[in-house]
Amino acid sequence: EVQLVESGGGLVQPGGSLRLSCAASGFTFSSDWMSWVRQAPGKGLEWVATINQDGSQKYYVDSVKGRFTISRDNTKNSLYLQVNSLRAEDTAVYYCASTFSGRFFDYWGQGTLVTVSS
Amino acid sequence: QSALTQPRSVSGSPGQSVTISCTGTSSDVGAYNYVSWYQHHPGKAPKLMIYDVRKRPSGVPDRFSGSRSGNTASLTISGLQAEDEADYYCCSYAGTYTVIFGGGTRLTVL
Repeated sequence: EVQLVESGGGLVQPGGSLRLSCAASGFTFSSDWMSWVRQAPGKGLEWVATINQDGSQKYYVDSVKGRFTISRDNTKNSLYLQVNSLRAEDTAVYYCASTFSGRFFDYWGQGTLVTVSS
Repeated sequence: QSALTQPRSVSGSPGQSVTISCTGTSSDVGAYNYVSWYQHHPGKAPKLMIYDVRKRPSGVPDRFSGSRSGNTASLTISGLQAEDEADYYCCSYAGTYTVIFGGGTRLTVL
């Protein structure tokens, strides 16, 4: 059974940083593209970032470029999202998702909540 | 890029059919055969229901079907059941490994 378990969310002040993690199991992690998708309170889903199998290709939505960094450790079956210079509008549930060739999300985790507030 | 356009809500009675539209542009929905649809029960993980416009993953009932005409994709749910009540999101590939979601549609089963 595919499992994706996010962690690392929490309350952070504007301008602060967090490192989100996603532990994967039940599939060959190193063979899959992976992504982060977020959902702000009362809003829809928003794609945030995608990384290819070996981490050599990374893609971001314009609003997070230069502030967020996606990475992965295939030896630990883990995906990460370093989020810096956080703004109130970054408040959201952040989901980890396996991504088929960068074009759709076949499995999702339950999400981790990031709240940016003073 | 702006989000794809979906109706905010649709509703139907058990056994009926409903269709949710998703309108994009010639740079996303109209450009690639890579539209996907997700079911999201609040508080749970979203679930892939349709990919590549009309393909169903294993385990998704054939009551769910997808189609596209020009820059508008559609999700049709036939034989509505109570458990279909959820939020539904369309998503389109938009080039260079980027994707864009729709704003979401709340389906109410009356």
